[in-house]
Amino acid sequence: DSGVTQTPKHLITATGQRVTLRCSPRSGDLSVYWYQQSLDQGLQFLIQYYNGEERAKGNILERFSAQQFPDLHSELNLSSLELGDSALYFCASSATGQPGTIYFGEGSWLTVV
Amino acid sequence: DAKTTQPPSMDCAEGRAANLPCNHSTISGNEYVYWYRQIHSQGPQYIIHGLKNNETNEMASLIITEDRKSSTLILPHATLRDTAVYYCIVRVATPRRAGSYQLTFGKGTKLSVIP
Repeated sequence: DSGVTQTPKHLITATGQRVTLRCSPRSGDLSVYWYQQSLDQGLQFLIQYYNGEERAKGNILERFSAQQFPDLHSELNLSSLELGDSALYFCASSATGQPGTIYFGEGSWLTVV
Repeated sequence: DAKTTQPPSMDCAEGRAANLPCNHSTISGNEYVYWYRQIHSQGPQYIIHGLKNNETNEMASLIITEDRKSSTLILPHATLRDTAVYYCIVRVATPRRAGSYQLTFGKGTKLSVIP
């Protein structure tokens, strides 16, 4: 158990819909990361937050957005969903003093039909 | 960040040592070598990291060559549960700005432990 909690674990939704994925980082970790992994694809970095502020952006689509709340939990919002958005979405967190040691959650499986 | 090169796949007999190589010939002096693994469809798991000295923990050993241009992750007694994709990542330890840090995962090495 990494200490990073993601909900929901599985989600099936239709094209055009909007979903929200939730992440609770490890206790005390200020950094939260979101990654996307499509079927047989590598891990793609989407976005990072540090103590409520966006700090780094990767290949995140404009239809996607994220935020980190004062209690440090984070949400990834995916809108106008397309079939190609079906993927495993991982949240991860790290401590300020150990930025290279990132702890991942078990992921949220999103299936768009 | 320095680019890494790993073989796409490797096999290892159960109970034997698994030696996973990584080439990072353009590594800079302030860059660390990190290893992660991902068991099928699970979240990636941190294994070990090092700068220039060899490192060992309960999961694995990391051997870094003296010129730091390559490294080897060693799983001393591979089990079937070690079957996974192993990622070697090179990254500076301290970001320019606090909290501005992400790891870029390549394709890694798919290790198959065979009974």
